[in-house]
Amino acid sequence: DAKTTQPTSMDCAEGRAANLPCNHSTISGNEYVYWYRQIHSQGPQYIIHGLKNNETNEMASLIITEDRKSSTLILPHATLRDTAVYYCIVPLRPLYSGGGADGLTFGKGTHLIIQP
Amino acid sequence: EAQVTQNPRYLITVTGKKLTVTCSQNMNHEYMSWYRQDPGLGLRQIYYSMNVEVTDKGDVPEGYKVSRKEKRNFPLILESPSPNQTSLYFCASSLSRTGLKNYTFGSGTRLTVV
Repeated sequence: DAKTTQPTSMDCAEGRAANLPCNHSTISGNEYVYWYRQIHSQGPQYIIHGLKNNETNEMASLIITEDRKSSTLILPHATLRDTAVYYCIVPLRPLYSGGGADGLTFGKGTHLIIQP
Repeated sequence: EAQVTQNPRYLITVTGKKLTVTCSQNMNHEYMSWYRQDPGLGLRQIYYSMNVEVTDKGDVPEGYKVSRKEKRNFPLILESPSPNQTSLYFCASSLSRTGLKNYTFGSGTRLTVV
């Protein structure tokens, strides 16, 4: 079973920041949160991951709450090409206890639609 | 360019006719995996391989076979395809089983079994 919950869909205006929430209330202390996205019918693409501190890379920022029960992926200046399904994933087993890519569950994600 | 290459991109076949979908990666990745994606069901893992000659079943292995004779190749074999295997298939690879940051997916193979 997935360990995360996300809204089914969201809209955002082009040029604005897109904020995608994810709830992972059962996450344990050393489990990472990963974000991937899938543009229509293409393979999923890694975006970012984090443990407890906020993270930023060239694609996005990840804000993780202090209690680690939720996180938000931020696309700072959304473009039409950012329209995709965004997956928030916590591996079924933590990496430190043998978990890995075989425990990645890509659920339904959030369908983000960027409006012109 | 570092990539995972799947072939073919599109395939229409008839029930019972054996087929193979090829997957190749040029990144010297140890871990490779196959998924299928169906509307409303998300991505489901079929098989995975942690290294050459090591393969394991994922969540939906029935009706599929795989082999990992070389590090770069991980073909998906349907010995006797059925219409319920009509789906969008993705191959993926990463440096290791825990290398989720560099988990790279192919462009997909859309299979129709009639």
